[in-house]
Amino acid sequence: KNQVEQSPQSLIILEGKNCTLQCNYTVSPFSNLRWYKQDTGRGPVSLTIMTFSENTKSNGRYTATLDADTKQSSLHITASQLSDSASYICVVSLTGGFKTIFGAGTRLFVKA
Amino acid sequence: GAVVSQHPSWVICKSGTSVKIECRSLDFQATTMFWYRQFPKQSLMLMATSNEGSKATYEQGVEKDKFLINHASLTLSTLTVTSAHPEDSSFYICSATELYGYTFGSGTRLTVV
Repeated sequence: KNQVEQSPQSLIILEGKNCTLQCNYTVSPFSNLRWYKQDTGRGPVSLTIMTFSENTKSNGRYTATLDADTKQSSLHITASQLSDSASYICVVSLTGGFKTIFGAGTRLFVKA
Repeated sequence: GAVVSQHPSWVICKSGTSVKIECRSLDFQATTMFWYRQFPKQSLMLMATSNEGSKATYEQGVEKDKFLINHASLTLSTLTVTSAHPEDSSFYICSATELYGYTFGSGTRLTVV
């Protein structure tokens, strides 16, 4: 069964600290994995996209990693800011069409 | 980068009326668009895949007669919630595929009273 599991479900950190969000998937055949940030009441915004051959991708303070062998991905946020408070969604796409599997998301709260 | 515009951003309607939500790809053509529904603190749930010039493909459990989808051009897809009821109140989001993946609209908060 194609699944995407994210952990933790929610996370509270202090401003300035780093954090890492996890995404494990059992999707096959794998095409790509994307991380999105969704602010409350807004649509998701793409942070990174990685294909099978890529194992790291950065976007400013966001760095995503991908281990296609263990089917794990992580999103590392450096020097967190209050504006990083949002839901972070891991999305995995299958090859051969538009089939995508959404993770349930990790809700991040950054406190001053 | 690719931009998907969704309108309106929020709408309040009376029970029994219909509401139309528009999703436009502003700087690219989208032969395929997607409509999602999201309840509070839950992930996006795909409702249907909208194909330009043909009928939409609905996910299991989604009533096609209640959620009418029209994709008449390469840049516009619309979702009409017909005979809306309070249980239809939700956050509706569209997305379109482009070179680098999916681009999402900003979402529409529908409240049915």
